[in-house]
Amino acid sequence: AQRVTQPEKLLSVFKGAPVELKCNYSYSGSPELFWYVQYSRQRLQLLLRHISRESIKGFTADLNKGETSFHLKKPFAQEEDSAMYYCALRANYGQNFVFGPGTRLSVLP
Amino acid sequence: DTGVSQDPRHKITKRGQNVTFRCDPISEHNRLYWYRQTLGQGPEFLTYFQNEAQLEKSRLLSDRFSAERPKGSFSTLEIQRTEQGDSAMYLCASSSRDSPYEQYFGPGTRLTVT
Repeated sequence: AQRVTQPEKLLSVFKGAPVELKCNYSYSGSPELFWYVQYSRQRLQLLLRHISRESIKGFTADLNKGETSFHLKKPFAQEEDSAMYYCALRANYGQNFVFGPGTRLSVLP
Repeated sequence: DTGVSQDPRHKITKRGQNVTFRCDPISEHNRLYWYRQTLGQGPEFLTYFQNEAQLEKSRLLSDRFSAERPKGSFSTLEIQRTEQGDSAMYLCASSSRDSPYEQYFGPGTRLTVT
Protein backbone atom coordinates (compact mmCIF):
# COMPACT_ATOMS: atom_id res chain seq x y z
CA ALA A 1 0.00 0.00 0.00
CA GLN A 2 1.08 3.55 -0.61
CA ARG A 3 2.27 5.59 2.35
CA VAL A 4 3.64 9.11 2.81
CA THR A 5 5.62 10.17 5.87
CA GLN A 6 6.64 13.62 6.98
CA PRO A 7 8.89 13.17 9.99
CA GLU A 8 8.65 16.71 11.34
CA LYS A 9 5.37 17.95 12.79
CA LEU A 10 6.82 21.42 13.34
CA LEU A 11 9.77 23.16 11.75
CA SER A 12 10.89 26.59 12.89
CA VAL A 13 13.46 28.64 10.99
CA PHE A 14 14.51 32.26 10.98
CA LYS A 15 13.67 34.56 8.10
CA GLY A 16 16.34 34.33 5.42
CA ALA A 17 17.49 30.86 6.48
CA PRO A 18 17.22 27.85 4.18
CA VAL A 19 14.35 25.49 4.75
CA GLU A 20 13.85 21.84 3.88
CA LEU A 21 10.60 20.00 4.55
CA LYS A 22 11.10 16.27 4.38
CA CYS A 23 8.80 13.82 2.64
CA ASN A 24 9.35 10.10 2.17
CA TYR A 25 7.03 7.68 0.47
CA SER A 26 6.55 3.98 0.02
CA TYR A 27 5.17 2.74 -3.27
CA SER A 28 6.49 0.04 -5.54
CA GLY A 29 5.42 1.64 -8.81
CA SER A 30 6.04 5.05 -10.36
CA PRO A 31 4.27 7.61 -8.21
CA GLU A 32 3.34 11.17 -8.90
CA LEU A 33 4.29 13.46 -5.99
CA PHE A 34 2.81 16.77 -4.93
CA TRP A 35 3.22 19.40 -2.27
CA TYR A 36 0.10 21.14 -0.97
CA VAL A 37 0.09 24.16 1.33
CA GLN A 38 -2.51 25.58 3.70
CA TYR A 39 -2.00 29.13 4.92
CA SER A 40 -3.78 30.31 8.05
CA ARG A 41 -7.56 30.51 7.50
CA GLN A 42 -7.21 29.52 3.85
CA ARG A 43 -7.99 26.40 1.88
CA LEU A 44 -5.60 23.67 0.99
CA GLN A 45 -3.96 24.48 -2.34
CA LEU A 46 -1.50 22.88 -4.68
CA LEU A 47 2.03 24.27 -4.39
CA LEU A 48 3.88 22.11 -6.89
CA ARG A 49 4.06 18.68 -8.51
CA HIS A 50 7.20 16.80 -9.43
CA ILE A 51 6.29 16.33 -13.08
CA SER A 52 6.18 20.06 -13.78
CA ARG A 53 9.65 20.62 -12.27
CA GLU A 54 8.74 24.24 -11.56
CA SER A 55 9.83 26.60 -8.83
CA ILE A 56 6.79 28.09 -7.13
CA LYS A 57 7.22 30.94 -4.63
CA GLY A 58 10.90 30.03 -4.54
CA PHE A 59 10.19 26.43 -3.52
CA THR A 60 11.55 23.44 -5.41
CA ALA A 61 11.26 19.70 -4.87
CA ASP A 62 13.11 16.87 -6.55
CA LEU A 63 11.87 13.33 -6.71
CA ASN A 64 14.59 10.93 -5.59
CA LYS A 65 13.40 7.45 -6.46
CA GLY A 66 16.45 5.79 -4.93
CA GLU A 67 15.74 7.34 -1.54
CA THR A 68 11.97 7.44 -2.13
CA SER A 69 11.94 11.08 -1.11
CA PHE A 70 10.43 14.33 -2.34
CA HIS A 71 11.81 16.98 -0.04
CA LEU A 72 10.63 20.59 -0.40
CA LYS A 73 13.34 23.24 -0.31
CA LYS A 74 13.68 26.99 -0.33
CA PRO A 75 17.01 28.79 -0.02
CA PHE A 76 15.72 31.85 1.87
CA ALA A 77 12.58 31.50 3.97
CA GLN A 78 10.12 34.39 4.23
CA GLU A 79 7.63 35.05 7.02
CA GLU A 80 4.77 34.58 4.57
CA ASP A 81 5.91 30.99 4.02
CA SER A 82 4.58 30.10 7.47
CA ALA A 83 1.90 27.50 6.83
CA MET A 84 1.01 23.83 6.98
CA TYR A 85 2.65 21.78 4.23
CA TYR A 86 1.41 18.39 3.07
CA CYS A 87 3.19 15.98 0.79
CA ALA A 88 0.91 13.79 -1.34
CA LEU A 89 1.31 10.82 -3.65
CA ARG A 90 -0.83 9.52 -6.48
CA ALA A 91 -0.24 5.98 -7.64
CA ASN A 92 0.29 5.47 -11.37
CA TYR A 93 -3.21 4.10 -11.57
CA GLY A 94 -6.44 5.52 -10.20
CA GLN A 95 -7.22 8.75 -8.42
CA ASN A 96 -6.44 7.77 -4.85
CA PHE A 97 -4.27 10.53 -3.46
CA VAL A 98 -2.40 9.67 -0.25
CA PHE A 99 -1.43 12.61 1.94
CA GLY A 100 1.22 12.76 4.63
CA PRO A 101 0.41 14.06 8.12
CA GLY A 102 1.81 17.50 7.36
CA THR A 103 4.56 19.75 8.67
CA ARG A 104 3.86 23.14 10.17
CA LEU A 105 6.50 25.61 9.04
CA SER A 106 7.01 28.63 11.23
CA VAL A 107 9.31 31.34 9.89
CA LEU A 108 10.45 33.60 12.69
CA PRO A 109 11.33 37.28 12.17
CA ASP B 1 -17.49 31.40 -9.54
CA THR B 2 -15.83 31.67 -6.17
CA GLY B 3 -14.37 28.21 -6.13
CA VAL B 4 -15.47 25.00 -4.49
CA SER B 5 -18.19 25.50 -1.91
CA GLN B 6 -19.41 23.17 0.83
CA ASP B 7 -22.50 23.24 2.94
CA PRO B 8 -22.90 23.27 5.87
CA ARG B 9 -19.62 24.53 7.24
CA HIS B 10 -20.30 23.03 10.64
CA LYS B 11 -22.57 20.23 11.76
CA ILE B 12 -23.16 18.93 15.27
CA THR B 13 -25.19 15.75 15.51
CA LYS B 14 -25.98 13.07 18.03
CA ARG B 15 -24.63 9.58 17.67
CA GLY B 16 -26.89 7.43 15.57
CA GLN B 17 -28.28 10.27 13.45
CA ASN B 18 -27.79 10.55 9.69
CA VAL B 19 -26.06 13.56 8.16
CA THR B 20 -25.68 14.79 4.60
CA PHE B 21 -23.11 17.22 3.25
CA ARG B 22 -23.12 19.02 -0.07
CA CYS B 23 -20.26 20.04 -2.32
CA ASP B 24 -20.50 22.37 -5.32
CA PRO B 25 -17.36 22.09 -7.45
CA ILE B 26 -15.98 24.69 -9.81
CA SER B 27 -18.46 24.69 -12.66
CA GLU B 28 -16.31 23.35 -15.50
CA HIS B 29 -14.60 20.69 -13.37
CA ASN B 30 -15.58 17.13 -14.21
CA ARG B 31 -13.65 15.44 -11.38
CA LEU B 32 -14.74 15.55 -7.76
CA TYR B 33 -13.12 14.08 -4.67
CA TRP B 34 -14.17 13.64 -1.05
CA TYR B 35 -11.63 13.46 1.76
CA ARG B 36 -11.80 13.19 5.54
CA GLN B 37 -9.29 14.92 7.78
CA THR B 38 -8.83 14.36 11.50
CA LEU B 39 -6.70 16.41 13.86
CA GLY B 40 -3.00 16.09 13.19
CA GLN B 41 -3.45 14.13 9.99
CA GLY B 42 -3.50 14.89 6.33
CA PRO B 43 -6.60 14.45 4.19
CA GLU B 44 -7.65 10.81 3.76
CA PHE B 45 -9.16 9.87 0.40
CA LEU B 46 -12.78 8.69 0.54
CA THR B 47 -14.13 8.63 -2.98
CA TYR B 48 -13.78 10.03 -6.51
CA PHE B 49 -16.25 10.94 -9.26
CA GLN B 50 -15.66 11.61 -12.91
CA ASN B 51 -18.78 13.38 -14.10
CA GLU B 52 -21.62 11.43 -12.49
CA ALA B 53 -19.77 8.12 -12.24
CA GLN B 54 -18.27 7.09 -8.91
CA LEU B 55 -15.06 5.49 -10.13
CA GLU B 56 -13.15 4.92 -6.91
CA LYS B 57 -13.99 4.37 -3.30
CA SER B 58 -11.60 3.81 -0.41
CA ARG B 59 -11.54 0.25 0.84
CA LEU B 60 -11.46 1.68 4.33
CA LEU B 61 -14.78 3.43 3.81
CA SER B 62 -17.56 1.99 5.92
CA ASP B 63 -20.79 1.07 4.18
CA ARG B 64 -22.46 3.71 6.35
CA PHE B 65 -20.92 6.25 3.97
CA SER B 66 -22.44 6.90 0.57
CA ALA B 67 -21.82 9.59 -2.00
CA GLU B 68 -23.64 10.69 -5.11
CA ARG B 69 -23.16 13.10 -7.96
CA PRO B 70 -26.40 12.65 -9.85
CA LYS B 71 -26.00 15.16 -12.67
CA GLY B 72 -22.26 15.44 -12.71
CA SER B 73 -22.35 18.79 -10.94
CA PHE B 74 -22.85 18.99 -7.16
CA SER B 75 -22.20 16.01 -4.92
CA THR B 76 -23.57 14.82 -1.61
CA LEU B 77 -21.92 12.70 1.05
CA GLU B 78 -24.20 10.93 3.51
CA ILE B 79 -23.17 9.25 6.73
CA GLN B 80 -25.76 6.98 8.27
CA ARG B 81 -25.91 6.06 11.97
CA THR B 82 -23.08 8.41 12.86
CA GLU B 83 -20.48 7.37 15.41
CA GLN B 84 -18.15 9.51 17.50
CA GLY B 85 -15.26 8.32 15.36
CA ASP B 86 -16.86 10.04 12.37
CA SER B 87 -16.06 13.43 13.90
CA ALA B 88 -13.71 15.08 11.42
CA MET B 89 -13.38 17.71 8.73
CA TYR B 90 -14.87 16.53 5.43
CA LEU B 91 -13.21 18.12 2.43
CA CYS B 92 -14.34 18.24 -1.15
CA ALA B 93 -12.04 18.98 -4.09
CA SER B 94 -12.52 19.28 -7.82
CA SER B 95 -10.28 19.31 -10.88
CA SER B 96 -10.65 19.82 -14.60
CA ARG B 97 -10.02 17.70 -17.68
CA ASP B 98 -7.12 19.92 -18.68
CA SER B 99 -5.39 19.76 -15.29
CA PRO B 100 -6.77 16.60 -13.73
CA TYR B 101 -4.29 16.42 -10.89
CA GLU B 102 -4.54 20.05 -9.79
CA GLN B 103 -7.19 19.77 -7.14
CA TYR B 104 -9.05 22.81 -5.84
CA PHE B 105 -10.28 22.29 -2.30
CA GLY B 106 -13.37 23.58 -0.60
CA PRO B 107 -13.43 25.04 2.91
CA GLY B 108 -14.65 21.79 4.43
CA THR B 109 -17.53 20.72 6.65
CA ARG B 110 -16.61 20.13 10.27
CA LEU B 111 -18.67 17.31 11.76
CA THR B 112 -18.94 16.81 15.50
CA VAL B 113 -20.75 13.70 16.72
CA THR B 114 -21.78 13.90 20.38
